[in-house]
Amino acid sequence: AAGVIQSPRHLIKEKRETATLKCYPIPRHDTVYWYQQGPGQDPQFLISFYEKMQSDKGSIPDRFSAQQFSDYHSELNMSSLELGDSALYFCASSSMLRDRGLNEQFFGPGTRLTVL
Amino acid sequence: LAKTTQPISMDSYEGQEVNITCSHNNIATNDYITWYQQFPSQGPRFIIQGYKTKVTNEVASLFIPADRKSSTLSLPRVSLSDTAVYYCLVVGGKLIFGQGTELSVKP
Repeated sequence: AAGVIQSPRHLIKEKRETATLKCYPIPRHDTVYWYQQGPGQDPQFLISFYEKMQSDKGSIPDRFSAQQFSDYHSELNMSSLELGDSALYFCASSSMLRDRGLNEQFFGPGTRLTVL
Repeated sequence: LAKTTQPISMDSYEGQEVNITCSHNNIATNDYITWYQQFPSQGPRFIIQGYKTKVTNEVASLFIPADRKSSTLSLPRVSLSDTAVYYCLVVGGKLIFGQGTELSVKP
């Protein structure tokens, strides 16, 4: 079965540079979520999109922005990178089955961002 | 948002049943209880979700008492490959991860 695809898998950047992470959800999934997981930390919710509109916002820095495109893929844009941005960035997708209350999120393999 | 509390770590041996209990005293009426498993450097993986009473699937069971202020994830006959971090979440959309339980299964 098709899974969530994230690219790149690894990314090395210098401080103050920019980075773009891409996420391709499972086909027919309408919702995308972004999470950040620092070393030894629990995943932290950043932002989500439902049908190409931002649906929720978490602890996403102002230096970061994201969007979901017409083909449902999503991109997380990160500017003025800081050392503390080094982390695993996970994308997850789901299909909203609100009536049943089931909102299983399928996570991608993550992008490991290292800021030097 | 309901906060969850679960043990930081647990040890077990292969073949044993493992029960991980999670407290969520402030759970809202519309919230579901969901458990995820995460291996190092991998994305979390959905295990099971429930609203009340008992839910069972091919990998685990979830017990939820009537007041829904706690839940227990039961893993039958664990193996070494079940060594992972287990997260209890109260779900109303986005996943708010608290401190998970690091389960270590020994031979």
